[in-house]
Formats: sequence, C-alpha cells, structure tokens
Amino acid sequence: KQEVTQIPAALSVPEGENLVLNCSFTDSAIYNLQWFRQDPGKGLTSLLLIQSSQREQTSGRLNASLDKSSGRSTLYIAASQPGDSATYLCAVRDVGAQKLVFGQGTRLTINP
Amino acid sequence: DGGITQSPKYLFRKEGQNVTLSCEQNLNHDAMYWYRQDPGQGLRLIYYSQIVNDFQKGDIAEGYSVSREKKESFPLTVTSAQKNPTAFYLCASSRRETGELFFGEGSRLTVL
Repeated sequence: KQEVTQIPAALSVPEGENLVLNCSFTDSAIYNLQWFRQDPGKGLTSLLLIQSSQREQTSGRLNASLDKSSGRSTLYIAASQPGDSATYLCAVRDVGAQKLVFGQGTRLTINP
Repeated sequence: DGGITQSPKYLFRKEGQNVTLSCEQNLNHDAMYWYRQDPGQGLRLIYYSQIVNDFQKGDIAEGYSVSREKKESFPLTVTSAQKNPTAFYLCASSRRETGELFFGEGSRLTVL
C-alpha cells in the first residue's frame, strides 16, 4: 500500500531564503506526482505535475524534482516571499490507479 | 473561466438531517472526486467517479452517497448515518490525458 510522507510538518524561514520541501513515497511504481498549495480555509491549488517519465518540472520560482528509484520528490522555492506562506502537499498516483495518495503536508511560514 | 464550483461555502446542519453539497465543473473532465479534510488527518477520499452513471467508494464512504447523472455534476449527500460529519469537504476533477487533479474551493459543514 502506497504511503506518502512529508517532513517536516512545519517550517519557518526568513524572507528571501531558498528552501526545499521534501516528499517521500514507499512504492516506486507511480504514474505521476503532484504538488499542491493550500491557503487556510481554501481549496488546493495545483503547482506542479511530474509524470513518471520526467525528472523535474519548473514554474516560475518553483522547481519540483522526482527520483522514483529512491522514492523521493523535492519542491524547491527560490527567493521566498511572505506570500509563499501556506501548506504544501504532495500526492502520488500509482500506475493503474484512479486515486491519489496524499501526504500530510508541510506548513510553511515566510517571515518578513 | 473554467473551474470547479462548490456550494454552499458554509453549511450548518442539525443532527439527523441529510444535506447535499454541490460540485459543478466546466473543465470537461471525466473523473470527479470527493475528499474530506480534518485537522491533523490530511485528505481522505470519500467517493470518486470516472464516468457518468458510475462511481466507486473511497476510503471513508460510510454515511455518504453520490450521484453522477451528468458529466459536469457530482453532488455529495451527507446522510444522518454519518457519525461525525463536521469537516471541510473538497471536490476535485482530473484530466484524462495527464491525470492532473484540480480542486474546488471547498464546503465547510458544521453539525450543531
């Protein structure tokens, strides 16, 4: 059974720093991996989708990498801003599955 | 603009009452999902549907029911059999080509 873990549960950094959020999964037979952002009381916003054949995806200041063999993905945020404060979740879709398995998320706070 | 619309945003219910949460999408996605989010528990899948007139139970389907009569609509009914219905409910849909998941803004249900 696929399990997705995000460590740490919470992270606080000063504005301007580059930072990395981690996501690990137990079964490497994945179809894709998706990173989301959730603001308090809101729905999830899709940030990046990485297909199993890809190694990374980039959007603006965000870069997500995927290493299936080690069961890891990282979300790199460059030049962090207070507006980046939110909970970041990763989710994995296994091959042949319709359901995504979510991590518990990392609550990120960027201090001005 | 294309997207997923959930209504109502906030809903209060007395114990013993059934309530229906609406989810409509104009993204032309085939698959739709309902998730429940509780503090500290992450997202849990209630029901999902891959095609009109067909749906499958997720991990926590007891006390819930759904229908999929139209491609655009996937309403969720929270029945009186659901023992702890107070939660944040999220509807999502996904693209067949990539499997990318998109979410609505959520509905917060409070049982009084």
